[in-house]
Amino acid sequence: DTEVTQTPKHLVMGMTNKKSLKCEQHMGHRAMYWYKQKAKKPPELMFVYSYEKLSINESVPSRFSPECPNSSLLNLHLHALQPEDSALYLCASSQEGKGDTQYFGPGTRLTVL
Amino acid sequence: AQSVTQLDSQVPVFEEAPVELRCNYSSSVSVYLFWYVQYPNQGLQLLLKYLSGSTLVESINGFEAEFNKSQTSFHLRKPSVHISDTAEYFCAVSDINTDKLIFGTGTRLQVFP
Repeated sequence: DTEVTQTPKHLVMGMTNKKSLKCEQHMGHRAMYWYKQKAKKPPELMFVYSYEKLSINESVPSRFSPECPNSSLLNLHLHALQPEDSALYLCASSQEGKGDTQYFGPGTRLTVL
Repeated sequence: AQSVTQLDSQVPVFEEAPVELRCNYSSSVSVYLFWYVQYPNQGLQLLLKYLSGSTLVESINGFEAEFNKSQTSFHLRKPSVHISDTAEYFCAVSDINTDKLIFGTGTRLQVFP
C-alpha cells in the first residue's frame, strides 16, 4: 500500500482566517514533504521532515507553519494568507528520504479570498 | 545543481499512435530518475522510476522509459496510447544525498479519438 491521504480536499479561507491542512501515511515512511503547485506548473518544495524533525525549509513565508506531531502525521498551519497563496498543496512521503521514491497524496485545493 | 528539461510542453497524438515524451537532466552526482503522471484535479502518481540496474524500466500500464547516461536522458514512451492517458507528465530527478526532488516543467499529453 502506497497511500498518502490529505484532508480537506478543498478549502476556502479568508485572509484573516487560521486553518490547517492534514496529511497522513501508514507506510512507516520517515520522511514527509509539503509541496505547493500552481496551475500548469510543477510542484515546488516547501518543507521536508526527516524522522519528525524539520530538515528543509525552502524559505517559505512564516504564514505557513509546518508541524510533524508523529511519524505518520504532517500538518500545515495557515494564517494570514494572501490570494496568491491559492494553489494545490501536495503532501508526499518516502521511506528514508535521501533520494527515495516519493509517494504523493491527492492534494488540498486551497482558495484564499 | 541539478536540473530537468522537458522540451515539449504539449504533445497532441491520436489514439493508438505511439508517443515519446522527452526528458533530459543535468547533474554532477549520481541520480535517481522518475516519471510522475497527474490527471486533472488529482495528485501525482508514480509512473516508473530508475534507481539502478537495467536501463529500461516499465510501468504496469504500458509505458516504458530508458535511462541513457551518455545522453543524460530518460525519455518516456508508449507504443499505443489510449484516451485515458491524457494527463500531465512530469519527469523528476533526485540525487542520492538530498531530500530534494527536482521536477521538469511538465508535458501535457493530449490523446484524441
